[in-house]
Amino acid sequence: DGGITQSPKYLFRKEGQNVTLSCEQNLNHDAMYWYRQDPGQGLRLIYYSQIVNDFQKGDIAEGYSVSREKKESFPLTVTSAQKNPTAFYLCASRRDRDTYEQYFGPGTRLTVT
Amino acid sequence: AQSVAQPEDQVNVAEGNPLTVKCTYSVSGNPYLFWYVQYPNRGLQFLLKYITGDNLVKGSYGFEAEFNKSQTSFHLKKPSALVSDSALYFCAVRDSKGNRGSTLGRLYFGRGTQLTVWP
Repeated sequence: DGGITQSPKYLFRKEGQNVTLSCEQNLNHDAMYWYRQDPGQGLRLIYYSQIVNDFQKGDIAEGYSVSREKKESFPLTVTSAQKNPTAFYLCASRRDRDTYEQYFGPGTRLTVT
Repeated sequence: AQSVAQPEDQVNVAEGNPLTVKCTYSVSGNPYLFWYVQYPNRGLQFLLKYITGDNLVKGSYGFEAEFNKSQTSFHLKKPSALVSDSALYFCAVRDSKGNRGSTLGRLYFGRGTQLTVWP
């Protein structure tokens, strides 16, 4: 899991509440990514950011929001508009444009009831 | 469009036997290919990558993968499986084209293959 931390590991929320998942990296990586993992569906890209103050929507951005105010931080907010938020959320980072692999944090399991 | 297929949801193999986890891909340019492993309730760990050069790529924990351009495949292999290799394995391909503000650098993942190694 390297120098990427995600907190908390488990998170429980009531339906209708917004919740923010933390992702911090001390690797000095430029790019950061948020994925959602559901059983049997692999990883789906929610948002990604290649530089500070810039981010792009991935394949399933509806109901989510992000910010990238600092290079080391890329928090993800799951809003009440997300219809099915219960999932395992993974944050990843990549060093720079000349690096190809991404490195992942340990993940946050979000349960909304 | 880029995509990855892992045709087997599960692979079962006896300890000590060779293992293969299959992956095929579709990309618009030159493929950059990756394998990751995930243990329960953990993040993904990078195993190996193919960018260019030798078709046989060696990675962590004794794993290797063979790039086959004509078959658009990148199968993961290990000569002798261990019980501790039991995990979920993901193949991924990178978008090799793009410009500023595009999807340059994002990975497209397969659905994953659950490997179980029996003692």
